[in-house]
Amino acid sequence: AQSVSQHNHHVILSEAASLELGCNYSYGGTVNLFWYVQYPGQHLQLLLKYFSGDPLVKGIKGFEAEFIKSKFSFNLRKPSVQWSDTAEYFCAVNSNNDYKLSFGAGTTVTVRA
Amino acid sequence: DARVTQTPRDKVTEMGQEVTMRCQPILGHNTVFWYRQTMMQGLELLAYFRNRAPLDDSGMPKDRFSAEMPDATLATLKIQPSEPRDSAVYFCASGLNRGGGEETQYFGPGTRLLVL
Repeated sequence: AQSVSQHNHHVILSEAASLELGCNYSYGGTVNLFWYVQYPGQHLQLLLKYFSGDPLVKGIKGFEAEFIKSKFSFNLRKPSVQWSDTAEYFCAVNSNNDYKLSFGAGTTVTVRA
Repeated sequence: DARVTQTPRDKVTEMGQEVTMRCQPILGHNTVFWYRQTMMQGLELLAYFRNRAPLDDSGMPKDRFSAEMPDATLATLKIQPSEPRDSAVYFCASGLNRGGGEETQYFGPGTRLLVL
């Protein structure tokens, strides 16, 4: 089974700052990678996903993530955050022949106005 | 805009009572997942259905939890009897599986359960 680690438990930053959230997974085979966002009191929403192709993936709300296979990483980035990006962010991984998604513990992002 | 729906959104009950949570997957999706989210454990997979068949319920406490899909438009998660430690947010997700892992799960709004 895969394991997913998100390096930061809580990130606090100011509006317009750049954001990068780390995600590493442990699995040597072909993987599918996801970032979900959970706004306060709401459900998980898909930000972006990677199945194959261009390792730089663009998602909604100005987010992007880069798959670096050699580093087993799928870090999430946003060049300039807004107060409305305050949320919890989850990285998730499954292998190409396994339906089970392994979620990271989540990173809480607080953006100060 | 197709969405997963869940009912009830909130449920407060007393220990020992039966709780039934319902989920309507997105029309056309053939997989359903039940997750539980708590502060301590994060997101835990409880059960997984594909084409209405239960393929994995290893994450569920078998003695009190049960999950079913009576038809393609309804999935249920039942707790009987409920205990305070079951207090959590229960999410349902659905997806379209074409035989591999390249499947995106779409989450419902969740049922927030409080067992007193």
